[in-house]
Amino acid sequence: SAVISQKPSRDICQRGTSLTIQCQVDSQVTMMFWYRQQPGQSLTLIATANQGSEATYESGFVIDKFPISRPNLTFSTLTVSNMSPEDSSIYLCSVELREGQPQHFGDGTRLSIL
Amino acid sequence: RKEVEQDPGPFNVPEGATVAFNCTYSNSASQSFFWYRQDCRKEPKLLMSVYSSGNEDGRFTAQLNRASQYISLLIRDSKLSDSATYLCVVRRSNDYKLSFGAGTTVTVRA
Repeated sequence: SAVISQKPSRDICQRGTSLTIQCQVDSQVTMMFWYRQQPGQSLTLIATANQGSEATYESGFVIDKFPISRPNLTFSTLTVSNMSPEDSSIYLCSVELREGQPQHFGDGTRLSIL
Repeated sequence: RKEVEQDPGPFNVPEGATVAFNCTYSNSASQSFFWYRQDCRKEPKLLMSVYSSGNEDGRFTAQLNRASQYISLLIRDSKLSDSATYLCVVRRSNDYKLSFGAGTTVTVRA
């Protein structure tokens, strides 16, 4: 498996502000993903972070709200922009170490917006 | 209809008991299947992949029924540490994306 670290692990933010979440992997991976898990619900894929190209967003998620960077094969960031209380959630990055293999998750970022 | 559906539970069982639960998926072309475990306020962790012939990992047994489009997980000799939410996860055949069930909560009591 891999060591996948997310920063920050939690934050409390004011409405209207933005927060950037970092995801660092200890090995080079092609596929990185960003998920959201709202309270009491399962995981929803936000986007796939592609190295060297723009992220691919799922239905209901847009780049202006969730800009993503993927500067290299071990790192990605997700920004949650212009936050509202509805954005309070756990945000998780995951990686696929080899094609077709299960994904492994970072330890998550718990975000609360006041 | 959701792509992956699970009985949310909770399943409350005594230590040492056997507990089993299912998950159904809607896309007959789904290719890969997994069970993940998620503890409260933690990230999901892979428990086991599910193979067509069924597979066992210690006290955990996973089965796949493609004809009826369901996956099952059985936990034998339950331990207190098995208390968690178990997520059924399905990978579509045409891409790398995963679909998650909402989870089945298991509570093992002393």
